[in-house]
Amino acid sequence: EVQLVESGGGLVQPGGSLRLSCAASGFTFSDYSMNWIRQAPGKGLEWVSYISGASSTIYYADSVKGRFTISRDNAKHSLYLQLIGLRAEDTAVYYCAREKSTTSPRVWYFDLWGRGTLVTVSS
Amino acid sequence: DIQMTQSPSSLSASVGDRVTITCRASQIITTYLNWYQQNPGKAPKLLIYAASSLQSGVPSRFSGSGSGTDFTLTINSLQPEDFATYYCQQTYSPLYTFGQGTKLEI
Repeated sequence: EVQLVESGGGLVQPGGSLRLSCAASGFTFSDYSMNWIRQAPGKGLEWVSYISGASSTIYYADSVKGRFTISRDNAKHSLYLQLIGLRAEDTAVYYCAREKSTTSPRVWYFDLWGRGTLVTVSS
Repeated sequence: DIQMTQSPSSLSASVGDRVTITCRASQIITTYLNWYQQNPGKAPKLLIYAASSLQSGVPSRFSGSGSGTDFTLTINSLQPEDFATYYCQQTYSPLYTFGQGTKLEI
C-alpha cells in the first residue's frame, strides 16, 4: 500500500528537542522530493521544509530556519525532521507529504500525505 | 514570501448548492496553484493541481480555474461529504505557502 506514516511526536519542554520520522512504503521513495507541513491546533496549514530526492536541495520556512533540520535516508525509505530550540508556537500536528509535478510546465503539488504526528511544546 | 489570501474565510451552503472559493496571490504565480480539502482530524487531500487539473479519483463536481494572481475553486451540486475546509497553495516560489483556509459549513 502506498502510504506515509509519521512518528516521534510528543510533549516537550520549551527549548527542548525532538526528532520526527516519516516512513514511506509502496513507492520508490528516492524518486520523490518530500516536504513537512504543520498545523497548529485550530489553525491553517503552514509549509515547513522541503528536501529533494537526493538531498541536494533543501528549503525551510523562515519561522523554523536555523532550528529545524530536514534529512532523509533513501535506503531506509524514511524522512526526518530534527526540531531544536522548540517554542510554544511550534505546537502543531506535523505532516509529511510526497511531492509530484506536472511535466510542462513543472507545477509541484503534494499528492500523498501522512496522518500526522502531534508535537506539544509546554512546561 | 508570496502571500495567499482566500475568500471567504467561511461559507454556509446547502446540499445541492454551487459554491465558489477565491484565492489571490500577492504576486503573479501563473498556474502554480493547488487546492486541498481537509476534514476535521484528517490529513489534507489534493483536489486540484496546476490551477485546473483534477486529481485522479476526485469527483468531477470539483473544478479549478484562474491564472496569474486570481484563482477559483468551484464545487457544483454540493454533497454532504464536501463540508470541510479548503486550502489553496502556491508552489511558484520554493518557499511554498498556503491560504488561510475556507471553512464550508452547512
